[in-house]
Amino acid sequence: NAGVTQTPKFRVLKTGQSMTLLCAQDMNHEYMYWYRQDPGMGLRLIHYSVGEGTTAKGEVPDGYNVSRLKKQNFLLGLESAAPSQTSVYFCAADFSGANVLTFGAGSRLTVL
Amino acid sequence: LAKTTQPISMDSYEGQEVNITCSHNNIATNDYITWYQQFPSQGPRFIIQGYKTKVTNEVASLFIPADRKSSTLSLPRVSLSDTAVYYCLVGASYQKVTFGIGTKLQVIP
Repeated sequence: NAGVTQTPKFRVLKTGQSMTLLCAQDMNHEYMYWYRQDPGMGLRLIHYSVGEGTTAKGEVPDGYNVSRLKKQNFLLGLESAAPSQTSVYFCAADFSGANVLTFGAGSRLTVL
Repeated sequence: LAKTTQPISMDSYEGQEVNITCSHNNIATNDYITWYQQFPSQGPRFIIQGYKTKVTNEVASLFIPADRKSSTLSLPRVSLSDTAVYYCLVGASYQKVTFGIGTKLQVIP
């Protein structure tokens, strides 16, 4: 039982490149979230999903897109990466929306 | 969503009990109080959740006064491995979950 798995763990991009971060959960949880964490900033919510086929904007959605085509997967896309998107990205899943989140190990992204 | 205020940092010696207080003056009737722990280079980990009075599990206790405008996370007899950032969250079910900066706890030998 892996819980929440994020791939890749590390990635270096050049400005303007695109990429997708994959979050996979094997817990059959309805809710999924993408956060970014920058030094001294805590975690900021990018996008979230309350179920398969649904997505919604969080606090800092600009420059990111998401998709939840399957219940177990939540994808975070960067269409044109910018240095300001250098960060550690965390995915999380919640069974019932009761604010009890299980987090992945994180994906460290550097945009040069 | 209710705004929370907690100390930015705290220091404690090993073996002491640590209490971290979170203020949430505009908490709503349906809101729960949830605490998370985050170690460096890891994702946050759920510690405890409560609605009112006191909740205890194998890791911590959560004290919530009757007016629910604050809450206190209590860690008994901390060790060096408890050095982490602790986040207080307030919100109801089915709302987007947002984190603040948290409290950085440093346990000193």
